[in-house]
Amino acid sequence: AQTVTQSQPEMSVQEAETVTLSCTYDTSESDYYLFWYKQPPSRQMILVIRQEAYKQQNATENRFSVNFQKAAKSFSLKISDSQLGDAAMYFCAYRMGGAQKLVFGQGTRLTINP
Amino acid sequence: EPEVTQTPSHQVTQMGQEVILRCVPISNHLYFYWYRQILGQKVEFLVSFYNNEISEKSEIFDDQFSVERPDGSNFTLKIRSTKLEDSAMYFCASPGGDRAAFFGQGTRLTVV
Repeated sequence: AQTVTQSQPEMSVQEAETVTLSCTYDTSESDYYLFWYKQPPSRQMILVIRQEAYKQQNATENRFSVNFQKAAKSFSLKISDSQLGDAAMYFCAYRMGGAQKLVFGQGTRLTINP
Repeated sequence: EPEVTQTPSHQVTQMGQEVILRCVPISNHLYFYWYRQILGQKVEFLVSFYNNEISEKSEIFDDQFSVERPDGSNFTLKIRSTKLEDSAMYFCASPGGDRAAFFGQGTRLTVV
């Protein structure tokens, strides 16, 4: 079974600084997709960024970028120029190609210090 | 981002009672999913529903749970006899581009 591991239960960063959240996953599949979701205090799940396993280029969405290391099965999220509104729980998720369900990690709580 | 709507936002129920959680997924989508998040824990897959049938379910989704499509645009998750451990956030989701899932705002279920 596929598993997703986020080894950092909590992280904090100063406003305007850069922070990296770690995620590793375990799969024997070659076709899959990876995602980062943000969960603010409202508890809604908001898609931040996605990465297709077949793409070598790392995905970027404005201040958010990923470092996808397929051989190492690592998928970290980098947030640049951190803002107070970035404070939230961040969940890494995996989806096998052809399957429907997402498998989530345990989450990392990110605090932004003003 | 496309919108998935869930009602109610919060429901309190007595243990042993039946609850129905409602979802309006992204229009014209045949697939939708239910996920659960117990407070302080990770989000867990419950079930996926395609074209009026369950296409995949987890071990959490036992006989106490059921999903239905009572009309063309609404989907429901029913818990027949709630237990204290059913207290959680329940999320409905629709598929999006690039195999992502777009989530509703969730229903917080509290069983007392």
